[in-house]
Amino acid sequence: AQTVTQSQPEMSVQEAETVTLSCTYDTSESDYYLFWYKQPPSRQMILVIRQEAYKQQNATENRFSVNFQKAAKSFSLKISDSQLGDAAMYFCAYEANSKLTFGKGITLSVRP
Amino acid sequence: DGGITQSPKYLFRKEGQNVTLSCEQNLNHDAMYWYRQDPGQGLRLIYYSQIVNDFQKGDIAEGYSVSREKKESFPLTVTSAQKNPTAFYLCASSPDYYNEQFFGPGTRLTVL
Repeated sequence: AQTVTQSQPEMSVQEAETVTLSCTYDTSESDYYLFWYKQPPSRQMILVIRQEAYKQQNATENRFSVNFQKAAKSFSLKISDSQLGDAAMYFCAYEANSKLTFGKGITLSVRP
Repeated sequence: DGGITQSPKYLFRKEGQNVTLSCEQNLNHDAMYWYRQDPGQGLRLIYYSQIVNDFQKGDIAEGYSVSREKKESFPLTVTSAQKNPTAFYLCASSPDYYNEQFFGPGTRLTVL
C-alpha cells in the first residue's frame, strides 16, 4: 500500500523568508502524480502545486516550488518570500490508479 | 460559477440515526470522491466513483454508503453502523484519473 509521510507536525517562518516542508512517500508504482494542497482556517482544500513522476523537471508555481527526488521518494515544497496568507495546513498527496493518498499534514505559521 | 457544493455546512445527528450528506458539482467531472478528515489524521478516502452507476470502496468504507445516479451528484450516507461518525467530510471531483481533485467546502458532522 502507498503511504505518505510528513514527519514535521508544525513549522514556523518569518514573513518574507523561505521555508521548506518535507514529504516522503512509499510506492511500487512507476507512474504516479504528487501534489501539495493547502488548507487554510476556512478548511477549503486548495491545490498548490503538482508534479508528474515521469517529469524530471521540478514544478514551480510563482513563490512555490518543489524538490522532487524520485529515487529517494522525496517531494518537498519550498515557499519563498513567505506571506501571512500562507499560514495554513499543508498536505502532501500521492495519486496512482485513481486514488489519492494524503499525509497527515503540517501546520505552517507565519510570523509578522 | 462552476464548482462543488456540499450541504449542509454543519450537521448534527443523534446516535443511531442515519444521515445523508449532499455533494453536487457542475464541472462536468466524471470522477467524484468522499473523504473523512479527523484531527491529526489527514484525509482518508471513504468511497469514489469514476462513472455514473458505479462506485468503489476506499480505505474506510465500513459504516458508509453512496449512490451515483447522476453525474452531478454523489451523496454519502453515514449509517448507524459507523462507530465514530463525528468528523469533517470533504467531497471532491476530478475530470479524469490523473488530474488534480477539486474540493467542496466540507460538512462538519457531529453526533450527539
